[in-house]
Formats: sequence, structure tokens, C-alpha cells
Amino acid sequence: EAQVTQNPRYLITVTGKKLTVTCSQNMNHEYMSWYRQDPGLGLRQIYYSMNVEVTDKGDVPEGYKVSRKEKRNFPLILESPSPNQTSLYFCASSLPRTGSPLHFGNGTRLTVT
Amino acid sequence: AQSVTQLGSHVSVSEGALVLLRCNYSSSVPPYLFWYVQYPNQGLQLLLKYTSAATLVKGINGFEAEFKKSETSFHLTKPSAHMSDAAEYFCAVSDRASNFGNEKLTFGTGTRLTIIP
Repeated sequence: EAQVTQNPRYLITVTGKKLTVTCSQNMNHEYMSWYRQDPGLGLRQIYYSMNVEVTDKGDVPEGYKVSRKEKRNFPLILESPSPNQTSLYFCASSLPRTGSPLHFGNGTRLTVT
Repeated sequence: AQSVTQLGSHVSVSEGALVLLRCNYSSSVPPYLFWYVQYPNQGLQLLLKYTSAATLVKGINGFEAEFKKSETSFHLTKPSAHMSDAAEYFCAVSDRASNFGNEKLTFGTGTRLTIIP
């Protein structure tokens, strides 16, 4: 089954404790992206990757890091989480073609206390 | 920079009634337009998309949307609401000038649709 898998689904952590949210897709998609969803703000792009070893900042990259060492994986790293990073995070992937639909994971709800 | 506006963060309709969710975009060049749906505790999934062909686009689950360049709109409609349509709906716009669109995809703030039995 074609899917984007995020782990964990829920995560509660404390300020400053490094964490990684994993994302893996099995569709051989070149393009992958991370979004955060906050009430009243919709989805905002954090980082995206056009292919292996090619990443770029989205609209809200501060406080986040990413890496793309393999085509299927695109982890999101919070080196020193803060309470304002409490949010619902989504990973997505697509083919590198105009108008290609994004395939989303089921989300990771992160709470930073 | 392009933007997208969804009028109404919450919309309630009776079961069987017409569903109309509004989306307006700002772009000097007709962009690519998408509607995504998010069911509770799930990621977003594509409902339909407009890329440049027919202005009336049909999607899954009986939804359709019409691209109106003169009004810079891409409203989502469904003739008869079903209880299973209760979800959050997002309009998204991407820039044709980008490599292929998704890296400049901008989402609206979403409209939560409630169906009244």
C-alpha cells in the first residue's frame, strides 16, 4: 500500500530535549516536505526537499532541522524544542511533476512543556 | 507572493443540503489550485485539483469545484451533503512559475464542515 508513515503519532517532551520525528514514504517520490498545522493558521511549510541531499527552507524553518540522506526518509529534528513548537506536524511527499498531489502522513501531535 | 483565502472557518449544513465552501486566491497568473480534505486524526488527502484543463473540476465523493478567473475563485460544492462529509477542508494554491508547484504550495486556513442530521 502506498503510504507516508510518520512516527511517533503523539509525543510529549520538555523544553530543550532534542527530538526527531521520522517520516518515510514507499512511493519513490523525489519531493518531500514538512508542515505544521495550528488552529486558525492552516498548514505552514517548515522545510522541503527536492531530492536526496537537496533541502530548502519553507515559511517557518526557525528551530527545525531536516536531512535527506535517503530518498524514502525525511526526518524532522528539533534540537532544542520550545513550547511554541507545540503543534500538529505533517510530512508529505509527491512526484516532481506539475500539479502532482501531495500524499500526507497521519500526523504527529507534539506537546512541549 | 500568492495567497489563498477561505471565507468561513466553520460551515454547518443540513444533511441533504448544498455544500458550498469558498476559496479565493491572489495571483497574477492562473495558478494550480487544489482542495484537500482532512478527516479527524488523519492527514490530508486530495479531493480535486485544477491545473489548466476544464474549469469545472470533479473530485472524489461527489465534490466539484469551478475555477473562475474573473473572480479569482475556486469554490468547492456538493449538491447533497452526507454525514460522512464532516471534516476540515483546505484550499491550496501553487505557483506555475516554480519548478513543479509543490515547493511553493500555500494552504488556506481551512473550513470545518459540520453536517446537521
